Amino acid sequence: GAVVSQHPSRVICKSGTSVKIECRSLDFQATTMFWYRQFPKKSLMLMATSNEGSKATYEQGVEKDKFLINHASLTLSTLTVTSAHPEDSSFYICSARAPGLAGGIYEQYFGPGTRLTVT
Amino acid sequence: GQNIDQPTEMTATEGAIVQINCTYQTSGFNGLFWYQQHAGEAPTFLSYNVLDGLEEKGRFSSFLSRSKGYSYLLLKELQMKDSASYLCAVPDNTDKLIFGTGTRLQVFP
Repeated sequence: GAVVSQHPSRVICKSGTSVKIECRSLDFQATTMFWYRQFPKKSLMLMATSNEGSKATYEQGVEKDKFLINHASLTLSTLTVTSAHPEDSSFYICSARAPGLAGGIYEQYFGPGTRLTVT
Repeated sequence: GQNIDQPTEMTATEGAIVQINCTYQTSGFNGLFWYQQHAGEAPTFLSYNVLDGLEEKGRFSSFLSRSKGYSYLLLKELQMKDSASYLCAVPDNTDKLIFGTGTRLQVFP
């Protein structure tokens, strides 16, 4: 159980276009999902917390108008990178909180990640 | 605030034992997680410690000392497939997971 999927796994887009990444919890309902960004050989950097039915909470330094997050249902959150630039190229990972499992209320299950390349 | 320290890189030999340390400073404490992450893949859950002591799970064990703000992940009988990054993480007071920089482990034959 506790499977999280992401789509697409890889995407290449041109500078100035927008890209949408989907994160789905497949076998559980996730009221809270998280979006992370990871640069090569670096750790995960939390971008925002996505709560179903309400606005996302962004971390300091993350532009909310550039990284649009929508948590439309208990199993789906989307991240849209608007007007993408080459510096937005990164590995984007989502996670969903799955309370009641081994890690208590804090445990998160991660999606497989999306590799975004902006040319 | 939260502060987590881990060594950046470690190397070990196949069949050996390696210990990856993590020290943390938190305003409160709600447990400590260890995740494994292979290059280009998402992190996978290894362990969660909330009480002091050692928890063993097959070849992997995790230790916690809350009074010392210290944890370690012990990997026994190392295999080549254990080459990965190992991330230490603690929840902050808003329930977000704060990750350390991760320790890149390379296992050599």
